[in-house]
Amino acid sequence: ETGVTQSPTHLIKTRGQQVTLRCSSQSGHNTVSWYQQALGQGPQFIFQYYREEENGRGNFPPRFSGLQFPNYSSELNVNALELDDSALYLCASSLRLAVTGTEKLFFGSGTQLSVL
Amino acid sequence: AQSVTQPDIHITVSEGASLELRCNYSYGATPYLFWYVQSPGQGLQLLLKYFSGDTLVQGIKGFEAEFKRSQSSFNLRKPSVHWSDAAEYFCAVGAEGGGADGLTFGKGTHLIIQP
Repeated sequence: ETGVTQSPTHLIKTRGQQVTLRCSSQSGHNTVSWYQQALGQGPQFIFQYYREEENGRGNFPPRFSGLQFPNYSSELNVNALELDDSALYLCASSLRLAVTGTEKLFFGSGTQLSVL
Repeated sequence: AQSVTQPDIHITVSEGASLELRCNYSYGATPYLFWYVQSPGQGLQLLLKYFSGDTLVQGIKGFEAEFKRSQSSFNLRKPSVHWSDAAEYFCAVGAEGGGADGLTFGKGTHLIIQP
């Protein structure tokens, strides 16, 4: 158990719809990252949030957006869903310190999104 | 650009036999290197990581990995596998906590354990 929880665990949407995935970080963690894992592939970095601001972004279009809240929980929003968005979405939290940098990632179990 | 190659998509090993999973990386600076394991329906669990120091690193569950800079490799090994080791294994490269560029993962190696 990592202390990172994601909801829902499974979700089915149709093409063109919008979806919101949620993540509750491990207690004390101030950084959250989101990854997309397509079937048979490794996870791909979507973006990272630190202190409620986007801190870095992978090669994903703007219809992928996120939020980090003051309690360090997070949301991933995807607009105009496409069939290729079907994947396991993983949230990972970590603690970033001014002196020592960012410590290791703790991953949640993911949300399985199916787009029909 | 950083990249990770895991040449073996599937590996089948008999229970009790030794295991080596291959990983080659490309990274502009001194990398953090990681091995993660993923069981079906689960997230990723960190097995071990390397940044500097001794090139042979020990991890959890009896795993170890050896960093070879000259070969840009970071292969994972275990002397004797157990049936519970059956899972998907991912090698990754990047900054410690992912950083602004996140971690770059390989496509994974599916480990099958034969009785």
